[in-house]
This record gives sequence, structure tokens and C-alpha cells, in this order.
Amino acid sequence: QKEVEQNSGPLSVPEGAIASLNCTYSDRGSQSFFWYRQYSGKSPELIMFIYSNGDKEDGRFTAQLNKASQYVSLLIRDSQPSDSATYLCAVGDADKLIFGTGTRLQVFP
Amino acid sequence: DAGVIQSPRHEVTEMGQEVTLRCKPISGHNSLFWYRQTMMRGLELLIYFNNNVPIDDSGMPEDRFSAKMPNASFSTLKIQPSEPRDSAVYFCASSLIGGGRNNSPLHFGNGTRLTVT
Repeated sequence: QKEVEQNSGPLSVPEGAIASLNCTYSDRGSQSFFWYRQYSGKSPELIMFIYSNGDKEDGRFTAQLNKASQYVSLLIRDSQPSDSATYLCAVGDADKLIFGTGTRLQVFP
Repeated sequence: DAGVIQSPRHEVTEMGQEVTLRCKPISGHNSLFWYRQTMMRGLELLIYFNNNVPIDDSGMPEDRFSAKMPNASFSTLKIQPSEPRDSAVYFCASSLIGGGRNNSPLHFGNGTRLTVT
């Protein structure tokens, strides 16, 4: 059974700080990695995807992938209270995505 | 673009009743997924279709669950008979398969919150 592991949190950071969310996966052959944000009572929405080793930046978000160590992370710079949500890591497995259980992020003023 | 459309948004039913959830994927997407989300187990993949053909239904919990995709713009997930432990949020998602090594992102509908009493 292929697995995607995330710390459930909550991860609490002050407004303006950098939030660092981490994810590890079991299948060394995985090629595609995604971060979704889910507000309470809402559906998951795509934040970023990354396919290659290294960093990928989009505004305040940076995804980091290290295939050798089998981890992917999401950095949120200048965190805002509106970033408070659950962040889901997803890893490609053939045609489907396997999701972690998510990390709850709390950004306090 | 309208996004993935699910109905109903909420469903409350009694144990033993049949429940049908509906999904319209994004136009042009050729892959459709049904997920179930609970606090305890997170997002679990139930079944997915490529080009209207079921590919992997290993996540369907029991024979009480069935899913169909009669055409590219419509899918149903049916539970018959329903049980209280089926209470969860059911999400439909769609994507575009490119045939390459990399997966395309999934786009989720708003979900159906099912409560079985």
C-alpha cells in the first residue's frame, strides 16, 4: 500500500512568519506531487504542483521536492490569518492521486 | 468554466435507503474520480474512470457501493442500502489525462455531505 504521510498538526505560526509544511511518500517511483488547501467545510483547491527536483515558486508559496529523500514540502511566506486551513499533500500513482491526511495550519495575528 | 458540479450538496437519509450522488465533470476532462472524506480516514479514493471506463474500484468499501459513468459528462455513485457508517463527505473530481508520466491536477466539486441516520 503506497503511503503519503503528513503531520496532522496543528502547526501554529504568527502572522508574517514562514510556515513550513512537510510530506513524505513511500513510492520511490512517484513523479507528480501536489499541494491542496482545504478550508473547513469546503472542497480541496489546488495550490501548486511540482514534477522536478528542486524549488518551484508561485507568489508567497514555494514547493520543494527531494526525490532522493522522498519528501516534498510547502513553504508559505508572510503567512496571513486567511492561510489558516488544512493543507493536503498528494502524490501521483499511475492515473490517480494518493492524499495524505493533511496538516492543519493556524496563523494567529 | 463551470467547474465540477455535484448534487445534492447535502443528503440526509435513513438507514436502509438508497442514496444516489451525481457528478458532472469539467467539459473536456477525460478522467473522473470519486473520493470519500472523513475525519478519521481523510480522503480515500473509491473509484476512478478514464474515458468513461472504470479503471480501479478497489477503494469501493463493499458491494453496497456502485458507480457508473454512462457518458463523458455524467457519473453517479450509488449506495444501496445505506448505513450510518457511510456518513461522510463525498467528492467528485476530474482531470485531463495527457498520457505522459506526470499526473494532471485534480479539480474537485463542492462535495455531497451525506448523513445516514
